Amino acid sequence: AQTVTQSQPEMSVQEAETVTLSCTYDTSENNYYLFWYKQPPSRQMILVIRQEAYKQQNATENRFSVNFQKAAKSFSLKISDSQLGDTAMYFCAFLGPNDMRFGAGTRLTVKP
Amino acid sequence: DAGVTQSPTHLIKTRGQQVTLRCSPKSGHDTVSWYQQALGQGPQFIFQYYEEEERQRGNFPDRFSGHQFPNYSSELNVNALLLGDSALYLCASSLRNRAGQPQHFGDGTRLSIL
Repeated sequence: AQTVTQSQPEMSVQEAETVTLSCTYDTSENNYYLFWYKQPPSRQMILVIRQEAYKQQNATENRFSVNFQKAAKSFSLKISDSQLGDTAMYFCAFLGPNDMRFGAGTRLTVKP
Repeated sequence: DAGVTQSPTHLIKTRGQQVTLRCSPKSGHDTVSWYQQALGQGPQFIFQYYEEEERQRGNFPDRFSGHQFPNYSSELNVNALLLGDSALYLCASSLRNRAGQPQHFGDGTRLSIL
């Protein structure tokens, strides 16, 4: 079974600084997809970024980028120029042939 | 373009009761997945519906059941409620024949069991 591990329950960063959130996963699948979702206090899960496992190039979306290391089964999220609105829970998710598995989340606080 | 909508937003029940939660998928989506998110944890997959049938199921007891209607909307039913069923229940929709597409989530239903 696939498992997703986020080892940082809480993190904080100063506004305009850069922060990296860690995620590792375990799977025997070769084709899969990885996602980072953001969940602000309003509780709606919002897609931040998506990575296809068969693509070596790391995905980027504006201030958000990932470091995908397939052999190491690592999928970290880097947030550049952090903004107050980035304060939220961040979940790493794995999508294989069956269901989507989420990590336990990292609570990120951006400080002014 | 309507996103995923869930109702109700908040519900209070007592142990032993039954509850039904509702979800309308994002326009154009045909697959609905349900998740349970306990406080301080990540979402846990309950099951997924496509073409009005349950296609995948997570590690949840038979007290959790569902339904999908011809218009792709879905219901989650929980019988014999336990205190441990208190959680945020999230519905997510996607398009079945587009592999790897992200799921779009609703705002969730907060279920509290007294």
